[in-house]
Amino acid sequence: GAVVSQHPSWVICKSGTSVKIECRSLDFQATTMFWYRQFPKQSLMLMATSNEGSKATYEQGVEKDKFLINHASLTLSTLTVTSAHPEDSSFYICSARAWDRTPSYEQYFGPGTRLTVT
Amino acid sequence: KNQVEQSPQSLIILEGKNCTLQCNYTVSPFSNLRWYKQDTGRGPVSLTIMTFSENTKSNGRYTATLDADTKQSSLHITASQLSDSASYICVVNPRGGYNKLIFGAGTRLAVHP
Repeated sequence: GAVVSQHPSWVICKSGTSVKIECRSLDFQATTMFWYRQFPKQSLMLMATSNEGSKATYEQGVEKDKFLINHASLTLSTLTVTSAHPEDSSFYICSARAWDRTPSYEQYFGPGTRLTVT
Repeated sequence: KNQVEQSPQSLIILEGKNCTLQCNYTVSPFSNLRWYKQDTGRGPVSLTIMTFSENTKSNGRYTATLDADTKQSSLHITASQLSDSASYICVVNPRGGYNKLIFGAGTRLAVHP
């Protein structure tokens, strides 16, 4: 299967600081990557969609200046939470589409990153 | 308005027993319906994907069914194991929305010895 990794798996940061989360497709090229947020006992909520080499498309209600997404290569997307606050504490999950796999619309999810802002 | 509703919200069964999880959706038209397993603190893992024209798909002890007329899907787990304890999420991909997935809230399954 297609493997997606995330780093770090968990991070604790102080309020006001920024934290970067990496999402990598290990054995395929991902022209499209997605970032989701999941609060406890809730389902995944799409934050943004990023295509390699272009600006990310953010979902309604997601602040693009707070959640910076960069998809600079076909195997790497990063999410930077700027000036983090305790309410940003959540489980962040990325996924990727592999256009050369069947079905092409399948999304492969990473293991998630637990962010705690103190 | 929640377009994908799952039931029950949570379920406890004994190891070795079977169970069936339900998913009702209002998304129409849709391209495919998926079931994912999500262990606590982990990302979702795909179990089955069914297009709108399929009505059943199996993956080992997991069997998903789809009734597009009644807009219902179910996930049947056979001979449950302790490792089946997880959340099971029903996800619908609207037709034409290649990147858009609509997630259900999930069913939290606990398998006890």
